[in-house]
Amino acid sequence: SAVISQKPSRDICQRGTSLTIQCQVDSQVTMMFWYRQQPGQSLTLIATANQGSEATYESGFVIDKFPISRPNLTFSTLTVSNMSPEDSSIYLCSVITETYNEQFFGPGTRLTVL
Amino acid sequence: QKEVEQNSGPLSVPEGAIASLNCTYSDRGSQSFFWYRQYSGKSPELIMFIYSNGDKEDGRFTAQLNKASQYVSLLIRDSQPSDSATYLCAVPRGGAGNQFYFGTGTSLTVIP
Repeated sequence: SAVISQKPSRDICQRGTSLTIQCQVDSQVTMMFWYRQQPGQSLTLIATANQGSEATYESGFVIDKFPISRPNLTFSTLTVSNMSPEDSSIYLCSVITETYNEQFFGPGTRLTVL
Repeated sequence: QKEVEQNSGPLSVPEGAIASLNCTYSDRGSQSFFWYRQYSGKSPELIMFIYSNGDKEDGRFTAQLNKASQYVSLLIRDSQPSDSATYLCAVPRGGAGNQFYFGTGTSLTVIP
């Protein structure tokens, strides 16, 4: 399986600020994704992070609010911009590896917006 | 119809019993099926996958697939309190190598 790390693991932020979450994988992966999971809810896909090009966003998510970078095959960032309390959630990085057609998740970033 | 549907539960079983978790999917062309376990406050962890009709056993876990009925299940034998978690069923979008459709998850509580 892939080993995925995320930074920060948690943060408490003020309304109107932005937070960038980093995701690092220990091996090259074919696909990287960002999910959100609000308390007691299931996973919601935000976007697919594409290497060297703009991310592919799901309905309801836009680049201005959630800019994503993926400069190489093992690293991606998600920024939550102009945060409001409604953005309080767990943000999860996820990958599909080259070796296995299986999807793995990072440990998540727990974000609280005051 | 959602791509993957699960009973949200909660499902409660006594310790030592068999827990049965069910999932249906809409794409008849789906070839592979995955079960994830998510403990409260943690990220989902892949526990089993199944590609072929029938049963696949891994320790106390058995995945069952019936493609004709578009139905996949997860049985947990000799349930332990440590099995208490939310179990997510997942199916790849458009085939292998693509990210997954996830069900909403079934919450399982094993009562000591």
